[in-house]
Amino acid sequence: GDSVTQMEGPVTLSEEAFLTINCTYTATGYPSLFWYVQYPGEGLQLLLKATKADDKGSNKGFEATYRKETTSFHLEKGSVQVSDSAVYFCALSDYFGNEKLTFGTGTRLTIIP
Amino acid sequence: NAGVTQTPKFRVLKTGQSMTLLCAQDMNHEYMYWYRQDPGMGLRLIHYSVGEGTTAKGEVPDGYNVSRLKKQNFLLGLESAAPSQTSVYFCASIQGLAVTGELFFGEGSRLTVL
Repeated sequence: GDSVTQMEGPVTLSEEAFLTINCTYTATGYPSLFWYVQYPGEGLQLLLKATKADDKGSNKGFEATYRKETTSFHLEKGSVQVSDSAVYFCALSDYFGNEKLTFGTGTRLTIIP
Repeated sequence: NAGVTQTPKFRVLKTGQSMTLLCAQDMNHEYMYWYRQDPGMGLRLIHYSVGEGTTAKGEVPDGYNVSRLKKQNFLLGLESAAPSQTSVYFCASIQGLAVTGELFFGEGSRLTVL
């Protein structure tokens, strides 16, 4: 079945550092890939998405490229801020069984000033 | 526009008690979902609905029941609560298919079963 594997956290970085959160996936069909973010005390919200191979999703300075050859969708940001502290979830939805979203375990990110 | 609203936000139960979590969305979305979030396990799908009057099992449905009598509401029931059901529960909805769209989440309901 479909699955998503994220790098284990927690991740702690200094402000303005470069961020990478790794995500790899297994899917039987043609998945779309997503990053969701959960700020403290809130529900998840969509950060970015890519619906086909080689697409790059971007939002709020974050980027992720859909790499079919390595089955990966790593999240990157060039210069993180304290306000980026949150839990980040990688997710996929396959065109087979496409009404559902499968999530990774989440990576907690803390940015220190 | 309230989006997705969950009630209650906090609840403490004793083992064997029953309760219902209510999810309401005002976006006229067809699809609705109940997830549970546990440390180290991410979000796991309990049940979902693809439209009014329909329900389907997700990854971890045992011990839960759901109903979607009205399009805007999706209820999650625990008939006989167990400590293993201590978790944070999230409801979500989407207009189209998850493969292309964006899920909108409620703020979560923290349930503790003693």
